[in-house]
Amino acid sequence: AQSVTQLDSQVPVFEEAPVELRCNYSSSVSVYLFWYVQYPNQGLQLLLKYLSGSTLVKGINGFEAEFNKSQTSFHLRKPSVHISDTAEYFCAVRGLFGNEKLTFGTGTRLTIIP
Amino acid sequence: GAGVSQTPSNKVTEKGKYVELRCDPISGHTALYWYRQSLGQGPEFLIYFQGTGAADDSGLPNDRFFAVRPEGSVSTLKIQRTERGDSAVYLCASSTGRQETQYFGPGTRLLVL
Repeated sequence: AQSVTQLDSQVPVFEEAPVELRCNYSSSVSVYLFWYVQYPNQGLQLLLKYLSGSTLVKGINGFEAEFNKSQTSFHLRKPSVHISDTAEYFCAVRGLFGNEKLTFGTGTRLTIIP
Repeated sequence: GAGVSQTPSNKVTEKGKYVELRCDPISGHTALYWYRQSLGQGPEFLIYFQGTGAADDSGLPNDRFFAVRPEGSVSTLKIQRTERGDSAVYLCASSTGRQETQYFGPGTRLLVL
């Protein structure tokens, strides 16, 4: 079984400032890792994913995340945020073999302050 | 191309009633998933179809919940004897197959009064 912890339920950030959204996971097996974004009144959209290879993953809209196996973390970062980044961000994991379901964290609401 | 679509977008019903929620996956996607997102929570897995068969229904909370995908495309999530605790956003996702990226629809917001 897997679990995901997003400790920060809300993160306010000034426009053009950097941001880091934290994600830690627990799993008895190797996992794939994902970040999804949910804009107001819209469905979940995939930001980026880690499957294997380089631990630094780049996604859409200037976001990137780094997989740290020893710390079981997959934090999301952006060097300079924009008003349009205001949304809910979800970290998710999925087991490598024979497991199709995504296990999500509770989400982090990112609010950009003009 | 068209994404995952879900109908209705909103559904209000009374406690004890029966509801059906529909999901149209992306054309050609063989895998389909249902999740439920309660207020302030992340989505929680309900059921996964590969083709017409339910490959994993371990997330269905009880026997009031049932889902079908008779022709391997459109899926219907059915909830009998609805309870106020069933109020949530029901999300559908599809993918090209096992272990592939899941693409989500906009969800159906269910309110049980």
